[in-house]
Amino acid sequence: RKEVEQDPGPFNVPEGATVAFNCTYSNSASQSFFWYRQDCRKEPKLLMSVYSSGNEDGRFTAQLNRASQYISLLIRDSKLSDSATYLCVVNWNSGYSTLTFGKGTMLLVSP
Amino acid sequence: EAGVTQFPSHSVIEKGQTVTLRCDPISGHDNLYWYRRVMGKEIKFLLHFVKESKQDESGMPNNRFLAERTGGTYSTLKVQPAELEDSGVYFCASSQDESNSYNEQFFGPGTRLTVL
Repeated sequence: RKEVEQDPGPFNVPEGATVAFNCTYSNSASQSFFWYRQDCRKEPKLLMSVYSSGNEDGRFTAQLNRASQYISLLIRDSKLSDSATYLCVVNWNSGYSTLTFGKGTMLLVSP
Repeated sequence: EAGVTQFPSHSVIEKGQTVTLRCDPISGHDNLYWYRRVMGKEIKFLLHFVKESKQDESGMPNNRFLAERTGGTYSTLKVQPAELEDSGVYFCASSQDESNSYNEQFFGPGTRLTVL
């Protein structure tokens, strides 16, 4: 069974804090990796793709460890607007995308 | 540019009835996907169209679900007859091409289906 596991949280942090989420995936042949953000009762939106070399986008840093089959997301200087559910998403296929989602980690940033 | 649209936004039906969900992908996107999230569970893949052809329907739960994409534009997902366990949020997504496994899928706002 192909699974993506995440800590559901919630993670409660004050504004300005640094917070990290981890995710593990079961299929070692996975091809591509993503973090999606989902606001309450909204659709998922791509936050960032995760590449083998790691990548950064502003306050967000994503890391991939293929050997240990985990993905991480680091958010620095948290803003109130970062409050959302963060979905770890994996694509098993090389030829086309069939996304497998984790249940998500909820983040609540307070003033 | 308009995003992925879905209709209706909400649907409440009784067990045994039929419901048809519609998805309009982003113009020019050949790839169209259906996903579903039932309460307490993760979003799960249902099927993938490339233009009008079904590329992968391995996630379809059973034969009460029928997806079509005639003409390769919009898609419909029909549930007949609906059961209680079909309740959830049905998302549609589209992407431009699949030459790269990192190609972004854009999601619609979802249809919230409640079966009573």
